Amino acid sequence: EIVLTQSPGTLSLSPGERATLSCRASQSISSSYLAWYQQKPGQAPRLLIYDASSRATGIPDRISGSGSGTDFTLTISRLEPEDFAVYYCQQYSSSPQTFGQGTNLEIK
Amino acid sequence: QVQLVQSGAEVKKPGASVKVSCKASGYTFISYYMHWVRQAPGQGLEWMGIINPSGGSTTYAPKFQGRLTMTRDTSTSTVYMELTSLRSEDTAMYYCARTYYIWGRNDYWGQGTLVTVSS
Repeated sequence: EIVLTQSPGTLSLSPGERATLSCRASQSISSSYLAWYQQKPGQAPRLLIYDASSRATGIPDRISGSGSGTDFTLTISRLEPEDFAVYYCQQYSSSPQTFGQGTNLEIK
Repeated sequence: QVQLVQSGAEVKKPGASVKVSCKASGYTFISYYMHWVRQAPGQGLEWMGIINPSGGSTTYAPKFQGRLTMTRDTSTSTVYMELTSLRSEDTAMYYCARTYYIWGRNDYWGQGTLVTVSS
């Protein structure tokens, strides 16, 4: 199975700053079948980005995804208070679909 | 609007079984696959398996083979996840989440069902 490694484990930033989250795959992800999810305490994950760079419905354009092959990035250009949460990447190019271990984006 | 509504929290003893339901509404039930994903307290997301509501075919993660059964009832647009021989390590929040393709992005998720396994 494809193993996804996210870095950093924890990212401490202030509102207004730029956040860059990384997701590295153990083997190439075909067709960039990678998604990003946001999860807040007590809530289910919420789809942000799919196919590496397409925004899900209702996601603001300050949130973007990029990458291909084995290296993918989620960027939040200007952090808002509601962006502080845990973020997971997920690959769905091969069975079984797998998730990264998560990056905790916390307020500095 | 699309909704996935799961059954309520469960407390089970080790060795028992649990059956969690996920009722879908707001879309054509048989047109989307349904996955189950669990999350142990303070941990990440773990994929468990998938069911095709159209024909009922399933695929399970190897670690759950023999303990996990997914079924569906098309008359009520509900999918079920049953896990047997529960142990303390099965204590987790269990989510259903749909995809359009068998392997794809999970665009809608249920609210989660907490299963606690404790003697």
